[in-house]
Amino acid sequence: DVKVTQSSRYLVKRTGEKVFLECVQDMDHENMFWYRQDPGLGLRLIYFSYDVKMKEKGDIPEGYSVSREKKERFSLILESASTNQTSMYLCARGTANGVVFGQGTRLTVV
Amino acid sequence: KQEVTQIPAALSVPEGENLVLNCSFTDSAIYNLQWFRQDPGKGLTSLLLIQSSQREQTSGRLNASLDKSSGRSTLYIAASQPGDSATYLCAVRTTSGTYKYIFGTGTRLKVLA
Repeated sequence: DVKVTQSSRYLVKRTGEKVFLECVQDMDHENMFWYRQDPGLGLRLIYFSYDVKMKEKGDIPEGYSVSREKKERFSLILESASTNQTSMYLCARGTANGVVFGQGTRLTVV
Repeated sequence: KQEVTQIPAALSVPEGENLVLNCSFTDSAIYNLQWFRQDPGKGLTSLLLIQSSQREQTSGRLNASLDKSSGRSTLYIAASQPGDSATYLCAVRTTSGTYKYIFGTGTRLKVLA
């Protein structure tokens, strides 16, 4: 089974901190995605990447950036965390056979 | 712009009932459609994937159908069980350029024992 692993299940950070959410896949897939999930709003795409050092903005990129230095690792960066970024963050990798998700990171910004 | 809708938002049924969950999308130019299950506080688990050239897929008690021309997919769950209680989401993969997945907001299912 292909695995997508997110480094933390739960995180608590302070307002203004720089936050890194790490995601690693165990196969050589190009396409990776970061979503956030909020009640009533569903999954919203933040950024995605189709190759090393390549990235594209999703629907809600403001306040976020990403890094993809190696194919297997796709990091989401909150430049200066704010309380409205409290959410469930989900990383995924995609292929022609569908999208596979990590277990999610519940981030709370206080 | 592709939009995906799932109705109803929530559903409660007695154990043993057969049920249908609905997913609608506005642009029929999709590469595939995927159904997921999500338990509270967890990630998404893939249930079924239907390629754009297919009409349906089956796995155990689950059957998913796809009608691209009408922009609809259904997930049929036979003989529901309390363990089926979860949120069910559908997603379409776009065809244009660098692809992405567009999700519905999900149907929260509760199966009562």
